[in-house]
Amino acid sequence: DTGVSQDPRHKITKRGQNVTFRCDPISEHNRLYWYRQTLGQGPEFLTYFQNEAQLEKSRLLSDRFSAERPKGSFSTLEIQRTEQGDSAMYLCASSATQGHFQYEQYFGPGTRLTVT
Amino acid sequence: GQQVMQIPQYQHVQEGEDFTTYCNSSTTLSNIQWYKQRPGGHPVFLIQLVKSGEVKKQKRLTFQFGEAKKNSSLHITATQTTDVGTYFCAGPTSYGKLTFGQGTILTVHP
Repeated sequence: DTGVSQDPRHKITKRGQNVTFRCDPISEHNRLYWYRQTLGQGPEFLTYFQNEAQLEKSRLLSDRFSAERPKGSFSTLEIQRTEQGDSAMYLCASSATQGHFQYEQYFGPGTRLTVT
Repeated sequence: GQQVMQIPQYQHVQEGEDFTTYCNSSTTLSNIQWYKQRPGGHPVFLIQLVKSGEVKKQKRLTFQFGEAKKNSSLHITATQTTDVGTYFCAGPTSYGKLTFGQGTILTVHP
């Protein structure tokens, strides 16, 4: 399977615990994105990488959230001291770029986080 | 910041009826992308429109990009039960991230 993969698919955690999600993008893609989606809403941008560089982080993202893409391949998203409001689907997507032109994004299946 | 709005939020149709969803951006877009998300699934890319006034067709789906590059529409002719899902438009910022609309949820009754 050469699509975007995410692990785990589901995560249930207690409030205050830390969680980490992994995303493996399509190998030829240099851009990797993290989104959060809640019921009835479109994906909300969290952060994105071009190769290993984190180029932008949403102003809505608290300091409890951190993401890495250490070798420009897979990425991890960590949430520290989880809160019930963090419950959502966390989506990863990847895309190719050519100059300033951005191609379509390919989404992974997502990680559904439930904070109890 | 950039805002992308879609209407309607919900649309219920009988199988065979047509369906249209509209997308409006608060800023001029370099291009617009459309995605479909099936219930329980993840967004899947449908199409990208780049040129002012562009119209593209995919079988029963027709996509339009406005002359001012601030609005777009998706029209489905003769809906089928396989068309069920949420349709999102998304506009890129100058840095490449996508701002998604809230989506239109399409329900098709057989």
